[in-house]
Amino acid sequence: AQSVSQHNHHVILSEAASLELGCNYSYGGTVNLFWYVQYPGQHLQLLLKYFSGDPLVKGIKGFEAEFIKSKFSFNLRKPSVQWSDTAEYFCAVKSTGTASKLTFGTGTRLQVTL
Amino acid sequence: NAGVTQTPKFQVLKTGQSMTLQCAQDMNHEYMSWYRQDPGMGLRLIHYSVGAGITDQGEVPNGYNVSRSTTEDFPLRLLSAAPSQTSVYFCASSPGWGSKGNEQFFGPGTRLTVL
Repeated sequence: AQSVSQHNHHVILSEAASLELGCNYSYGGTVNLFWYVQYPGQHLQLLLKYFSGDPLVKGIKGFEAEFIKSKFSFNLRKPSVQWSDTAEYFCAVKSTGTASKLTFGTGTRLQVTL
Repeated sequence: NAGVTQTPKFQVLKTGQSMTLQCAQDMNHEYMSWYRQDPGMGLRLIHYSVGAGITDQGEVPNGYNVSRSTTEDFPLRLLSAAPSQTSVYFCASSPGWGSKGNEQFFGPGTRLTVL
């Protein structure tokens, strides 16, 4: 069975600092990878996704993620965070060729201070 | 399009009561699913459906029933509510099985408290 690990549970950064959130998955086959964001009191929204091709994926609001197959990783990055990026971030993986079941990580709560 | 809608937004139940959480989507998506979100545990899949008339269990199905009589609707039923079912419930839909169909769209959630 596939699984996802997000090692950073709570990250606190000052505005303009750089961000990298770790995501590792375990599955031996081909995967689709996602990052979702949940702003306080809101539902999940898709930040970016990787299906195939260029392993560096750019998403909304200046976020990007790099798929490193050899490391089973899909880390999320942003060069300069803003206070409005305060939210919870979820990495998710889905194996291809099967019914569309997403497996989520436990989430990383990002707090950006002014 | 309204996207994925869920009702109610908030609900308080007593132990042993039953209720149905409603979910509807107007995007003609084949795939729908229910998740529960608990602190420190991320989102866990309860039940899912790959099309009208077809449902299957996810990771944490016990205590919940689903049915899919139409493409649009996917209600989640709690048969006899327990405090352990206190959670935030999200419904999601996606176009289908293919690689382009893997993006899921989430509803606003239902916050359920069982006393």
